[in-house]
Amino acid sequence: DAGVIQSPRHEVTEMGQEVTLRCKPISGHNSLFWYRQTMMRGLELLIYFNNNVPIDDSGMPEDRFSAKMPNASFSTLKIQPSEPRDSAVYFCASSDSSSNQPQHFGDGTRLSIL
Amino acid sequence: AQSVTQPDIHITVSEGASLELRCNYSYGATPYLFWYVQSPGQGLQLLLKYFSGDTLVQGIKGFEAEFKRSQSSFNLRKPSVHWSDAAEYFCAVGAWSGGYQKVTFGTGTKLQVIP
Repeated sequence: DAGVIQSPRHEVTEMGQEVTLRCKPISGHNSLFWYRQTMMRGLELLIYFNNNVPIDDSGMPEDRFSAKMPNASFSTLKIQPSEPRDSAVYFCASSDSSSNQPQHFGDGTRLSIL
Repeated sequence: AQSVTQPDIHITVSEGASLELRCNYSYGATPYLFWYVQSPGQGLQLLLKYFSGDTLVQGIKGFEAEFKRSQSSFNLRKPSVHWSDAAEYFCAVGAWSGGYQKVTFGTGTKLQVIP
């Protein structure tokens, strides 16, 4: 079975540029989560979607960050404009919330903003 | 709000020795508890979960964890560690909030395995 698929795996770009991270959740899962992982702050939940609708975006750090889920099989996390402090590993996870199933994580996108 | 504490940032054990990673949680009701493992450059992989029932939970790769309500703990154990177990381990607690299960992760414990 295909797991959560994220792209790109690595992204290096200059500050001020727009960055778009992509996620394909596991088929049949109705919940999708975006996390950010850094040494200083650990694993932070940025936003949670349920049935393609954003439910909790209280973790989104600033207006520079936005996330969309146009359909059940695709989500994006966009940073515009990017800053060096946005450098981190960004994870997408999905789950079937209807049956208390745990979250399944993708392999992450390692983002470096120069 | 729920919280998770992993008091050990880094642990070193010899290959073949037993392992116990500590996890304490804070939550007012019966929590959902998880242990995940993260190898370098990879995402988090679920080792085991506890929702209810038997307080001793078996997971993948020979790991087990025991839920102790009186101690608010969910420690992870393995009787004999293999070199391939070197990774970072995250304890997590899930609680229903605003209509969904919000999962809070601990800060992780890095496991080093020496020959």
